[in-house]
Amino acid sequence: DSGVTQTPKHLITATGQRVTLRCSPRSGDLSVYWYQQSLDQGLQFLIQYYNGEERAKGNILERFSAQQFPDLHSELNLSSLELGDSALYFCASSVVPGDTEAFFGQGTRLTVV
Amino acid sequence: DAKTTQPNSMESNEEEPVHLPCNHSTISGTDYIHWYRQLPSQGPEYVIHGLTSNVNNRMASLAIAEDRKSSTLILHRATLRDAAVYYCILRDADYGGSQGNLIFGKGTKLSVKP
Repeated sequence: DSGVTQTPKHLITATGQRVTLRCSPRSGDLSVYWYQQSLDQGLQFLIQYYNGEERAKGNILERFSAQQFPDLHSELNLSSLELGDSALYFCASSVVPGDTEAFFGQGTRLTVV
Repeated sequence: DAKTTQPNSMESNEEEPVHLPCNHSTISGTDYIHWYRQLPSQGPEYVIHGLTSNVNNRMASLAIAEDRKSSTLILHRATLRDAAVYYCILRDADYGGSQGNLIFGKGTKLSVKP
């Protein structure tokens, strides 16, 4: 158990819909990262937050957004869903970015039908 | 944008040592070398990291070349549970900037034979 909790574990939704994925980081971790893993793209970095502020953006689509709340949990919002958004979405946390290890959750498997 | 090069796949026999190579010729002075692995159907997990000196922990050893342009992850006795994709990642220690993210490449898929 990494200490990072992601909910829900599985999500099935229709095209055009909007979903919210939730991540609770390990106690004490200030930095949260979101990743998308699909079969053809591998693990893609989406976005990073540090102590409530957005710090870096990766390959995140405009239809996707995220935020980190004062209690440090984070949510990833995916809207106008397309079939190609079906993937595993991982959240990770670390004390700070940089030289510390990051801990990954078990992921949310999103299926868009 | 991975700045590392790893073999696509490697095979090992159970209970034998495994040496997983990684080239990172453009490494900068503030880049730490991180290794993560992803077991089937799980999220990535941290294995080890280092800056200049060789490092050991309960999972593995990390040997870093003197010029830091390459490194090797060493599993001393491979088990079936070690079958996974291993990622070598450079991570900027300067978290005051926008770096410090883990950018995953394709990694090396390690197969362990009984």
